[in-house]
Amino acid sequence: EADIYQTPRYLVIGTGKKITLECSQTMGHDKMYWYQQDPGMELHLIHYSYGVNSTEKGDLSSESTVSRIRTEHFPLTLESARPSHTSQYLCASRGTSSYNSPLHFGNGTRLTVT
Amino acid sequence: GENVEQHPSTLSVQEGDSAVIKCTYSDSASNYFPWYKQELGKGPQLIIDIRSNVGEKKDQRIAVTLNKTAKHFSLHITETQPEDSAVYFCASLYSGGGADGLTFGKGTHLIIQP
Repeated sequence: EADIYQTPRYLVIGTGKKITLECSQTMGHDKMYWYQQDPGMELHLIHYSYGVNSTEKGDLSSESTVSRIRTEHFPLTLESARPSHTSQYLCASRGTSSYNSPLHFGNGTRLTVT
Repeated sequence: GENVEQHPSTLSVQEGDSAVIKCTYSDSASNYFPWYKQELGKGPQLIIDIRSNVGEKKDQRIAVTLNKTAKHFSLHITETQPEDSAVYFCASLYSGGGADGLTFGKGTHLIIQP
């Protein structure tokens, strides 16, 4: 089992609230990612990081922001939640020991904005 | 950039029969092809992968084949069991792309009928 943890597992919150989704990994991986998964299953990359103080936007535009102050921690923040943000959010990480080291996923946070 | 097509989107097979999921990719520079299985309520987990210098790889009941000339790769599951029911994602990795160039297919929902 991969050692990557996401909290909370489920979150129901009202419109306009600020939220932070937590992601931590204990594998010492430099590279971390956030994916948004829609009900149709497709995975959309929204943010990634190559290491501490590195953050990049992914393929899908997102109103969320991320930070990487510590190697093991990669939180995602929504300043003002909207119903359109309702989705499943998956965090992932991978090492740099080899070019094609596998991606490890957390179990996700299912966010509902009412 | 890379484009990965995955078919079918839904696959229903009788328990004990074989299942095949197919993917094609567009970038000839891609050289690593992992497959992920996502069970309900969990994040995707790596089940098998193949590198471009290998044509086939097996791990018990699952196998992956790669045809570099045709740019397609397939997942084969034999003697399917109820616990094989899940969503399966193929992916390709190519150097030089953003976020390490890992591109996912849209997923296949595999249903094992008892």
